[in-house]
Amino acid sequence: KAGVTQTPRYLIKTRGQQVTLSCSPISGHRSVSWYQQTPGQGLQFLFEYFSETQRNKGNFPGRFSGRQFSNSRSEMNVSTLELGDSALYLCASREGGYASSPLHFGNGTRLTVT
Amino acid sequence: GESVGLHLPTLSVQEGDNSIINCAYSNSASDYFIWYKQESGKGPQFIIDIRSNMDKRQGQRVTVLLNKTVKHLSLQIAATQPGDSAVYFCAERNNQGGKLIFGQGTELSVKP
Repeated sequence: KAGVTQTPRYLIKTRGQQVTLSCSPISGHRSVSWYQQTPGQGLQFLFEYFSETQRNKGNFPGRFSGRQFSNSRSEMNVSTLELGDSALYLCASREGGYASSPLHFGNGTRLTVT
Repeated sequence: GESVGLHLPTLSVQEGDNSIINCAYSNSASDYFIWYKQESGKGPQFIIDIRSNMDKRQGQRVTVLLNKTVKHLSLQIAATQPGDSAVYFCAERNNQGGKLIFGQGTELSVKP
């Protein structure tokens, strides 16, 4: 099976712009989570989607949003970009609903805000 | 956002030696724990997981130990190889909400 695919791999945006990141989960996986990774704060949970519904949300401002489509693919959007939004954004998928099963991560989208 | 720690501890070992990476988790209600390996330029890669009803679980060259009394998790890597050089993260999932909370990570450096 193909792994989690994230596009684009790299993005450079300027402050005030908005950005949309895309994630295709492993085939058959219905749960998709998003994480932000920075050197200072580590891996921080953004949100989780299951069957097109947001099931969980982290402590990020409303500028960060996401959605999941019927084919389980997911997008996240960041509006009014700030310099501090520069980070590696990671998408992860897993089988099934809430359960003890591991997340499988993609290689991320590196966002740089100038 | 939620996170644990700002500094990245490092562990340097000789090729062939065993490595032990430690992690202290925060929530006594957590019921599932995972170790991930992250190489430069890549996303975290699943290594091994353990449920809270277990104390030990073994994989290929790796063993995870869970001590719920002191909220401590460790990853043991046998016969460490240069390809094991990476940042290792532990993560916990609590039984209320289900999101994974990651530790700060430990950088493992293997000297040939």
